[in-house]
Amino acid sequence: DGGITQSPKYLFRKEGQNVTLSCEQNLNHDAMYWYRQDPGQGLRLIYYSQIVNDFQKGDIAEGYSVSREKKESFPLTVTSAQKNPTAFYLCASSNTQGAFYGYTFGSGTRLTVV
Amino acid sequence: AQSVTQLGSHVSVSEGALVLLRCNYSSSVPPYLFWYVQYPNQGLQLLLKYTTGATLVKGINGFEAEFKKSETSFHLTKPSAHMSDAAEYFCAVSVTSGTYKYIFGTGTRLKVLA
Repeated sequence: DGGITQSPKYLFRKEGQNVTLSCEQNLNHDAMYWYRQDPGQGLRLIYYSQIVNDFQKGDIAEGYSVSREKKESFPLTVTSAQKNPTAFYLCASSNTQGAFYGYTFGSGTRLTVV
Repeated sequence: AQSVTQLGSHVSVSEGALVLLRCNYSSSVPPYLFWYVQYPNQGLQLLLKYTTGATLVKGINGFEAEFKKSETSFHLTKPSAHMSDAAEYFCAVSVTSGTYKYIFGTGTRLKVLA
C-alpha cells in the first residue's frame, strides 16, 4: 500500500546536536511538506518542496534545513540553531493538485531535547 | 490573506449526542476547505473536503460539513457521537496561489463522555 513513512517515531537530542528526521513516500507525489505541531498552536509550516531539487521556506524555517534530492524523500534536519526543538513533527505529501485533493500525512516524529 | 479560526479548543459531548465543531475562514478567493482528524501520537487523516459543487459534504465515520459562504463557515457535525470519535480535529483552508499550501486552524480536541 502507498503511504508516507516517518522515522524514527521518537527521537532524543542533546543540546548542541543536529538531528535528521526521515520522510519517505511511495505515492508518486510531487509536493512534500514539513510541519511542526505544538500543543494549542496547530500546525506550522517549516519547509515545503514542489519538485525535486527545489524547496521553499515556510513560516518557521529558522533553525531547520531540508533537501530534496529524490522525489520520494524529504529529510528534515533540526540544527543546533533551533532553540526550542521539542515538538511533534509531521511530514505530508500531495500531488500537483494538492489544494484540491488534500494531503497525505505520515505518523509523525516526536523530538525531545534532553 | 487566508485564515482559519476554530472556536473552542476543547469540546465535550455525551455519547450519542450531536457533535458540532466550528470553523470560520477568511479568504479573498473561492476557498477549498478541509477537515482532518488526529488521534493521539498519529498523523492527520482527511475527514472530508469542500472544493466546488454541493455545499453539504459527507465524509468518513459519519461526519459531514456544510459550506456557508454568507457566514464564511464550514462547521463539522455528526448526529450521534461515539467514544471512538475522541480525537483532535483541524480545519484547513487552501492557499490557492499555486503553492498547494494550507493554513490550519489551531485544532479542537473532542472528548466523548460515557
